[in-house]
Amino acid sequence: NAGVTQTPKFQVLKTGQSMTLQCAQDMNHEYMSWYRQDPGMGLRLIHYSVGAGITDQGEVPNGYNVSRSTTEDFPLRLLSAAPSQTSVYFCASSYRPNQAEAFFGQGTRLTVV
Amino acid sequence: QQPVQSPQAVILREGEDAVINCSSSKALYSVHWYRQKHGEAPIFLMILLKGGEQKGHDKISASFNEKKQQSSLYLTASQLSYSGTYFCGTVPFSGGYNKLIFGAGTRLAVHP
Repeated sequence: NAGVTQTPKFQVLKTGQSMTLQCAQDMNHEYMSWYRQDPGMGLRLIHYSVGAGITDQGEVPNGYNVSRSTTEDFPLRLLSAAPSQTSVYFCASSYRPNQAEAFFGQGTRLTVV
Repeated sequence: QQPVQSPQAVILREGEDAVINCSSSKALYSVHWYRQKHGEAPIFLMILLKGGEQKGHDKISASFNEKKQQSSLYLTASQLSYSGTYFCGTVPFSGGYNKLIFGAGTRLAVHP
């Protein structure tokens, strides 16, 4: 049972570089989301998707792009990394976000220098 | 807008009880509770869907007051394994019932 898989686990970027955080789930969940976790601020919603081809913004979307071409994958793109994007990023999926358990990946620790 | 959790941190001796509160300024469809151990992903505890609903999981239970948009998590006879950060997540009626918004968390430390 793979569940939600995130890659990479750790990443160091230089300011201005771009990269994509990968997220894949094998539970056939329609709903997927990205959160960032910073000390003292909990989990903040970046973007979410209710199905292939449908995405929407969360609480802190600036500086991040997403797309959803398949049910399984929901990548998060940083087009021009900034030190303020240093954080731990979690991907989650669920059957229904309002009524069912969210399954989280193991996280990606990103440092922007 | 994030729900507000209180207290920010709790220190307990094994066997003691604790209550963690979660409050939202928005009308809520559901309230979710998760626990996260250091360096790990959050793990689901329970969901409350209806006002007045109470649920239990071993010695951890929760209630939901939909009129006040408040929920409380009750940890009874705490065990060392209860240590971690507890997050409440709320799904408001606004936003198409699709946004799960978490609070800042409550750090719980249980000592022998």
